[in-house]
Amino acid sequence: EIVLTQSPGTLSLSPGDTATLSCRASQSIIISNYLAWYQQKPGQAPRLLIYGASSRATGIPDRFSGSGSGTDFTLTISRLEPEDFAVYYCQQFRDSPVMYTFGQGTKLEMK
Amino acid sequence: EVQLVESGGGLVQPGGSLRLSCAASGFTFSNYWMHWVRQAPGKGLEWVSRINGDGSSTNYADSVKGRFTISRDNVKNTLYFQMSSLRAEDTAVYYCVTRVVSSAIGAFEIWAQGTMVTVSS
Repeated sequence: EIVLTQSPGTLSLSPGDTATLSCRASQSIIISNYLAWYQQKPGQAPRLLIYGASSRATGIPDRFSGSGSGTDFTLTISRLEPEDFAVYYCQQFRDSPVMYTFGQGTKLEMK
Repeated sequence: EVQLVESGGGLVQPGGSLRLSCAASGFTFSNYWMHWVRQAPGKGLEWVSRINGDGSSTNYADSVKGRFTISRDNVKNTLYFQMSSLRAEDTAVYYCVTRVVSSAIGAFEIWAQGTMVTVSS
């Protein structure tokens, strides 16, 4: 079983800052295409931001970028806007055996 | 517009059963895998099940295997989740989810609004 560990647990920043969120896998995610990032605001369903480790989903502004491979992945949010403060999850998929795993989340809060 | 609308959540006693439904529109439903993902109150996300386009292949998380059954009706464009032998730890918001972008393999692209299932006596 692959465990995804996100850090930090909480990140306190101000609008205009750059946020760097980390997601580390317990074993190599051989196919980096299968790493995604989500944003979730209170009372809402998650929203897909990044898939394939670095591809932005439809409608996601270019302030959001993903990078990484193997066991270490990063979500970077540049020029933070007030609406960016939320919880962020990473997620991986493997198909043998079938397993979808989420990280525990990073809360991005306004300082 | 791609849309998923859930129904069927509610309060159920431990050991009881409940069926969730998810009505899909705006895309060719029968072409796509469909999933259920849940989130316990104040907790993170957990994938629980998936079904392929024609309903011939299903997978479950170990936490629900043998108790929950995913199915679909491609005429009605509706996904179902039959939950039996419910436990307190099944209490969660359940999301119906799919992916229509072919390159986003393994990702959850389109989410329903979520329906709350509470297992309590």
